[in-house]
Amino acid sequence: GQQVQQSPASLVLQEGENAELQCNFSTSLNSMQWFYQRPGGSLVSLFYNPSGTKQSGRLTSTTVIKERRSSLHISSSQTTDSGTYLCAMERSGGNYKPTFGKGTSLVVHP
Amino acid sequence: EAAVTQSPRSKVAVTGGKVTLSCHQTNNHDYMYWYRQDTGHGLRLIHYSYVADSTEKGDIPDGYKASRPSQENFSLILELASLSQTAVYFCASSDGISNERLFFGHGTKLSVL
Repeated sequence: GQQVQQSPASLVLQEGENAELQCNFSTSLNSMQWFYQRPGGSLVSLFYNPSGTKQSGRLTSTTVIKERRSSLHISSSQTTDSGTYLCAMERSGGNYKPTFGKGTSLVVHP
Repeated sequence: EAAVTQSPRSKVAVTGGKVTLSCHQTNNHDYMYWYRQDTGHGLRLIHYSYVADSTEKGDIPDGYKASRPSQENFSLILELASLSQTAVYFCASSDGISNERLFFGHGTKLSVL
């Protein structure tokens, strides 16, 4: 089954609203990352966050290993935040082959 | 900043033809990966390698071969391209041990007709 579940699958916001994106994992994980992808674009790493909370500007990532989940919080959304957000996990005892979720498609309207 | 370069950026191939996608990294990373991206499926791992001259199967290896002739280069080979292999292909590299961050290339859009 799907080892990485992302929710919601899609999200529409008005500029200025906050967003909370979730990743849940079905196996024990060693590390995880959050990526941002523009339509038709490459992937840019937002956070490498094996555990705990990390913040970068308006973005905050929180990973709770024992609960097998990670979240990405976007505060005061902007139209330039539109795109797809993907999380990837590395399984415990794995051979460093990250597994991705299906992504959350975010649209922020002005 | 770490650099991963893919070529070509896009390609149109005929069904049954051979396709080779190339990836070059200047990060001095041991791990390299090939993923494909399809709408509704996210990224799925095709093949990966953690040392030159050796490759490993990922989650969806059928119909694909991989080659890692050097630490810097990693190729994905479609011996007999099929319509179902139309997708965007991403190459990535990672240190894999001390730092597992993934660095991606810009992707190759492959259309098989």
